[in-house]
Amino acid sequence: GQNIDQPTEMTATEGAIVQINCTYQTSGFNGLFWYQQHAGEAPTFLSYNVLDGLEEKGRFSSFLSRSKGYSYLLLKELQMKDSASYLCSTSGGSYIPTFGRGTSLIVHP
Amino acid sequence: DTAVSQTPKYLVTQMGNDKSIKCEQNLGHDTMYWYKQDSKKFLKIMFSYNNKELIINETVPNRFSPKSPDKAHLNLHINSLELGDSAVYFCASSRISLTSGANVLTFGAGSRLTVL
Repeated sequence: GQNIDQPTEMTATEGAIVQINCTYQTSGFNGLFWYQQHAGEAPTFLSYNVLDGLEEKGRFSSFLSRSKGYSYLLLKELQMKDSASYLCSTSGGSYIPTFGRGTSLIVHP
Repeated sequence: DTAVSQTPKYLVTQMGNDKSIKCEQNLGHDTMYWYKQDSKKFLKIMFSYNNKELIINETVPNRFSPKSPDKAHLNLHINSLELGDSAVYFCASSRISLTSGANVLTFGAGSRLTVL
């Protein structure tokens, strides 16, 4: 099975940089995914890592270390609209995505 | 032209009733899912289904049953509703990449079920 751990809540200031960590244990590995979920809305896909290293997509970057079972999502130049829950997800050998409990990010002025 | 649509968006019902939530995707994806998100926002897989295989999370009570009339639809039927079934239910779909193995989900807007 899969076990995914991420912090429950983080706060940051507008314009700053925040790093949301995720550790995981899986039976098999087919990628590490990050989703964003605003309150009352559906999760939306942000980024995906299957190989070790950093993937950059605009203000958002995601890093993966498969040997350490570790990933992080880096958000730069934070904006108020980035206040949301960030979900770490991985799919093992079954390809079925499972999710961590999500990190609620609060961005304040 | 919503990619994954589910209905109803809100559902309020009494304990013991039977209800269904419908889901349709127009993305041409081959796999559909149902997830339950509880009050603590934990998103938990219930079912995964493609036209070949149904995978059931063993913790899901057998009062819950998925029904797929075709590849574009996966409905969720719930019998004998209980208070603990109150949650937001998300339908999702995906197509697994043959080259990378990536399995990116596209979610519906969610159906909020309240059992009184």
